[in-house]
Amino acid sequence: DSGVTQTPKHLITATGQRVTLRCSPRSGDLSVYWYQQSLDQGLQFLIQYYNGEERAKGNILERFSAQQFPDLHSELNLSSLELGDSALYFCASSRDGGVTDTQYFGPGTRLTVL
Amino acid sequence: AQKVTQAQTEISVVEKEDVTLDCVYETRDTTYYLFWYKQPPSGELVFLIRRNSFDEQNEISGRYSWNFQKSTSSFNFTITASQVVDSAVYFCALSEARTADRGSTLGRLYFGRGTQLTVWP
Repeated sequence: DSGVTQTPKHLITATGQRVTLRCSPRSGDLSVYWYQQSLDQGLQFLIQYYNGEERAKGNILERFSAQQFPDLHSELNLSSLELGDSALYFCASSRDGGVTDTQYFGPGTRLTVL
Repeated sequence: AQKVTQAQTEISVVEKEDVTLDCVYETRDTTYYLFWYKQPPSGELVFLIRRNSFDEQNEISGRYSWNFQKSTSSFNFTITASQVVDSAVYFCALSEARTADRGSTLGRLYFGRGTQLTVWP
């Protein structure tokens, strides 16, 4: 158990819908990362937050957004869902979000768009 | 360009065999970190090891060992006396010390496509 929690574990929804994925980092970690794992793209970095502020952006679609709240939990919002958004979404956390940190991953949320 | 290449898509071995998973990386940075993660069938990503670019010493942890060679930009992972429980997808990843606009370093990971290891009894 990495100490990172993600809910829900599974999510099934329809095209065009909007969903919210939630992540709680390990105790003491200030930085949260979101990654998407799909068969086509592999594991891709989406976005990083540090202590409530966006720090880095990767291959995140405009239909996707995220935020980190004062209690350090984070939410990833996916809207206007398409079939291709079906993937495993991981949240990871690290102490201060720097290159020297180790990222610990949550169990993931499997999103299925029908 | 792919920053991390894991050329072996799938490997099958029989229990007790040794197996090496290859990882080749590409970066212009002099300071970087390399990682290995394991993804068992249950789906979570489990951290195995982190190595910085200034430390080329090989590392051994039980049946696991890692060989880092900057000259060939490789960070290979060997499992000795493999067991069925080692069956998983193994990912190699790279983190670069780029400086963001606000002067902070970035810690994003670039992952390889993974190697599916199957260990048969």
